Amino acid sequence: KAGVTQTPRYLIKTRGQQVTLSCSPISGHRSVSWYQQTPGQGLQFLFEYFSETQRNKGNFPGRFSGRQFSNSRSEMNVSTLELGDSALYLCASSLAATGRSGYTFGSGTRLTVV
Amino acid sequence: AQKITQTQPGMFVQEKEAVTLDCTYDTSDPSYGLFWYKQPSSGEMIFLIYQGSYDQQNATEGRYSLNFQKARKSANLVISASQLGDSAMYFCAMREGVSGGTSYGKLTFGQGTILTVHP
Repeated sequence: KAGVTQTPRYLIKTRGQQVTLSCSPISGHRSVSWYQQTPGQGLQFLFEYFSETQRNKGNFPGRFSGRQFSNSRSEMNVSTLELGDSALYLCASSLAATGRSGYTFGSGTRLTVV
Repeated sequence: AQKITQTQPGMFVQEKEAVTLDCTYDTSDPSYGLFWYKQPSSGEMIFLIYQGSYDQQNATEGRYSLNFQKARKSANLVISASQLGDSAMYFCAMREGVSGGTSYGKLTFGQGTILTVHP
């Protein structure tokens, strides 16, 4: 079965711009989580969506937002980009994100802000 | 305080030998789950093994096993018969509130250990 698909793989944006990243989960998975990975801070949880509702949110400024569509696909948006937003953004899908339910990650979107 | 601590920034192992990657965790939640992921240079996080806090047996998945010592709050990953393709970054992660679901989707990761397998 198809894995988690993230698009685009690479992105270069200018400071002050906004960006939208996309994540298509494994078919049947209703939970989508987003993570930011940087060399300095490591992997940090951004938010989680389940059935179009945000159930959990990490400690990030309001410039980071997301949404989930009825087909479980999810997008995250970063407005007013800063140099520090340069990172690998990973998306993970899960059946329910509770209990023993595992997470399958995509290959990520590598965002560079210049 | 760090919830997940991986004290080995880098580890080296000879091909076909076993290696242990350390992970300690901190939580007051009685219900939690521990995960190990492998991240090759391509960036994708690959799930290796899972241990629930109430699991009686240590988890095993092929060449991967988890040495779970609950009282010490440690969950070390053991890779047997290392292969060149095992060279990658390895992350230990925890999800709290496994039963109650208050930490939906949130995994807390350690800083990772870079494993290099020598031929």
